[in-house]
Order: sequence, then structure tokens, then C-alpha cells
Amino acid sequence: AQSVTQLGSHVSVSEGALVLLRCNYSSSVPPYLFWYVQYPNQGLQLLLKYTSAATLVKGINGFEAEFKKSETSFHLTKPSAHMSDAAEYFCAVGPGGSYIPTFGRGTSLIVHP
Amino acid sequence: KAGVTQTPRYLIKTRGQQVTLSCSPISGHRSVSWYQQTPGQGLQFLFEYFSETQRNKGNFPGRFSGRQFSNSRSEMNVSTLELGDSALYLCASSSSGGSSYNEQFFGPGTRLTVL
Repeated sequence: AQSVTQLGSHVSVSEGALVLLRCNYSSSVPPYLFWYVQYPNQGLQLLLKYTSAATLVKGINGFEAEFKKSETSFHLTKPSAHMSDAAEYFCAVGPGGSYIPTFGRGTSLIVHP
Repeated sequence: KAGVTQTPRYLIKTRGQQVTLSCSPISGHRSVSWYQQTPGQGLQFLFEYFSETQRNKGNFPGRFSGRQFSNSRSEMNVSTLELGDSALYLCASSSSGGSSYNEQFFGPGTRLTVL
């Protein structure tokens, strides 16, 4: 079985501040890990993915995430928040015996001017 | 490559009616998954089809059904609509199959409102 926990349903930062969105996972097999972003009234868009290559993964829009096996974490970071980063962010883990990833509950990122 | 398309984008129905939503995956993708997204429950997996067969299923009542055609296009049907079925329904396609595992590509969703 696999599961994902995203700490904090809402994260609020000021424009220009560091963004840190937390994701912890549980998986009985080496995991594939994903971060998706969802803007209002849109579908989910892949930000980045980890598939057992480099532990530090760089994605689109300046985001990156680091896979830490010892901590079973895959936190998403961005050095400087922009207003356009305001969205819902989902962490997901796979494969876990099926081809369907397990999604976290999501974290809403709020960016203040 | 064209992305995942879903039709219609918005739909308003009344309780007791049925509805059919359509999804066209990215060309070459054989896996299509459906999700229900609501503010209270988040993103919930409905089912996945691969090569016209239902391969995975979530915990939804039998009123929710789906199918996939030979061209990989998929439809989902909800019968006897309830107010609680109001949600954004997302379709995602993937090239996953055999021993491979790849990310899912999502469509823009169909916003269903049940009155």
C-alpha cells in the first residue's frame, strides 16, 4: 500500500519569499514521486517527477524537490515566490501495484504582495 | 501533440438525471483514468481503463461507470444523479502499460452541477 501526506492544507507566503510545500510518502516499493499544480478551473499540470535518478529534481517555473529516502519526504521548494505561483499543489506517489498514483489532499499556496 | 480534451466543459443537470462525459487522451496513450474532485473530498480516483478494459477501480457506487473505445477515447456515465455528484471530473491519460510507469496528463475537466 502507498500513501501521501501533505502537511498544511494552506500555505501563505509573501511575494519574493521562499516557498516550501511538504510531502511525506509511504510506499512498500521504490517510489515514483510527482508534484502537480492546478490553477483555478483547470486540470493538473506536472511540475516535476522523481524516478530514482538524481535525488534533486528540477521542474518547471523554478520549482525543485529533493527526494530523501531516510525521511520518506519529497518537499517542493522555490527560492522566490511569484504572484502567479498561487495555485493548488498536489504530491503523488506510485506505482504501488497498480498504474494509478496515490494523490495527497493538496496544499493551496497563497502569495501575498 | 494535442493534450487531453474533455467535453463538455460545463454541465448542469437535475437530480435523477444521467450524464455522460467524454475524454480524448493524448495520441498514443492507452491508459485513461477518471477522477472526481470536490472541495471536501479532494481528488478521488474513480476508475482506469487500459486497452478497452477496466484495470483499476476506486470506491464509488455502481451509478458511476465508464468505458473505453478502440481509439482509446473514454466516456464515463453517472446515472440517477445526486446533489453530491456536483464536482469537477478530471480525465488523465498515460502511456503506462506493461512494465512501464509514467506520469499522468490531465485534461481541463468537466464541471458538473446537479440541481
